[in-house]
Amino acid sequence: GDQVEQSPSALSLHEGTGSALRCNFTTTMRAVQWFRKNSRGSLINLFYLASGTKENGRLKSAFDSKERYSTLHIRDAQLEDSGTYFCAAGTGGYKVVFGSGTRLLVSP
Amino acid sequence: DPKIIQKPKYLVAVTGSEKILICEQYLGHNAMYWYRQSAKKPLEFMFSYSYQKLMDNQTASSRFQPQSSKKNHLDLQITALKPDDSATYFCASSQDTGGYEQYFGPGTRLTVL
Repeated sequence: GDQVEQSPSALSLHEGTGSALRCNFTTTMRAVQWFRKNSRGSLINLFYLASGTKENGRLKSAFDSKERYSTLHIRDAQLEDSGTYFCAAGTGGYKVVFGSGTRLLVSP
Repeated sequence: DPKIIQKPKYLVAVTGSEKILICEQYLGHNAMYWYRQSAKKPLEFMFSYSYQKLMDNQTASSRFQPQSSKKNHLDLQITALKPDDSATYFCASSQDTGGYEQYFGPGTRLTVL
């Protein structure tokens, strides 16, 4: 079936630094979403992309359907950015397939 | 105000019993979904509904039965519960099926003893 490979599985950053998360897809996806799971376990919508890039504050995401990947860049990381980040992608049907998540820890 | 309500937040059940997980969305969406996240696994798609009709079912077991009494309700009935059913169950909704952005509820954490 459709697979989403998310990396890295865990990431540690110091405040003020940045990094990128990546999801690779085994098939052509129509759209991708990025979420953060907060401390209460709720999934917070970060981005929805059908193509190109989007930016929101210190977060920026890109999606390349043809090359089968999406990225989430975090810059100037803050303590409150800590949490688990998920990508999820769909082929335009009735479901999305989730990646395994990236556990981000931002330390002082 | 929460736009997708799931009840209860936590649920403990004994093996062999039956439970119903409640989901209501107030986003005016036409499509609703159920996903499950077992320990150390990604969220897995279970069902999708559009205008109260089942569109896709990726659940192998008939013990899981969605119930839609209204367009903004999609409950999940689970019968003959097993310990392996222990997971967090997430309800989601989107404007329609076909690739629209999905929004998730806070989840119901089910533990089967």
